[in-house]
Amino acid sequence: GAVVSQHPSRVICKSGTSVKIECRSLDFQATTMFWYRQFPKQSLMLMATSNEGSKATYEQGVEKDKFLINHASLTLSTLTVTSAHPEDSSFYICSASGRGETQYFGPGTRLLVL
Amino acid sequence: AQSVTQPDIHITVSEGASLELRCNYSYGATPYLFWYVQSPGQGLQLLLKYFSGDTLVQGIKGFEAEFKRSQSSFNLRKPSVHWSDAAEYFCAVVWSNNLFFGTGTRLTVIP
Repeated sequence: GAVVSQHPSRVICKSGTSVKIECRSLDFQATTMFWYRQFPKQSLMLMATSNEGSKATYEQGVEKDKFLINHASLTLSTLTVTSAHPEDSSFYICSASGRGETQYFGPGTRLLVL
Repeated sequence: AQSVTQPDIHITVSEGASLELRCNYSYGATPYLFWYVQSPGQGLQLLLKYFSGDTLVQGIKGFEAEFKRSQSSFNLRKPSVHWSDAAEYFCAVVWSNNLFFGTGTRLTVIP
């Protein structure tokens, strides 16, 4: 149980375009979903926390107008990178938790902005 | 400031040897503790977790970890490492409903 999927697994886009990444909890209801960003050979950086039906809470230094997060249902959250630039290239990972403290992670999405 | 420390950036062990990955945290109370493994280009997989109770917890893939309050540590161990265990290992702590990660330890397994 506790499977989280992400789509797409990798995406290449042109600078200035927007990219949407989906995160789904497949077999449980995720009251909270988290979005992380991982730079090469570094640990994960929490970008934002979202609870179903409410606005996401962004970490300091994360531009909420650039990284749009929607958590419309208990099984789906989306991260949209708007007007992507090469410096946004990274590995984006979502996680989901139900009523407990454990977060279950998706496989990640590798974004490359040309 | 609260932090999670993994002192070893990179560890190399021979296949079949024992393994211990170190993790220390600095929080006032006993946090929730986790170990995750990340294979190259992949997401993270939960190995084990500690919330309360028995301080020695068993996880998947033959891993175990021991919570030592006096040392603020939660070290990950495996008696005999397999080549497929080569990956990045992250210790993590839940504090104030957020998950904080250590910087990770890269494990290399040599034949």
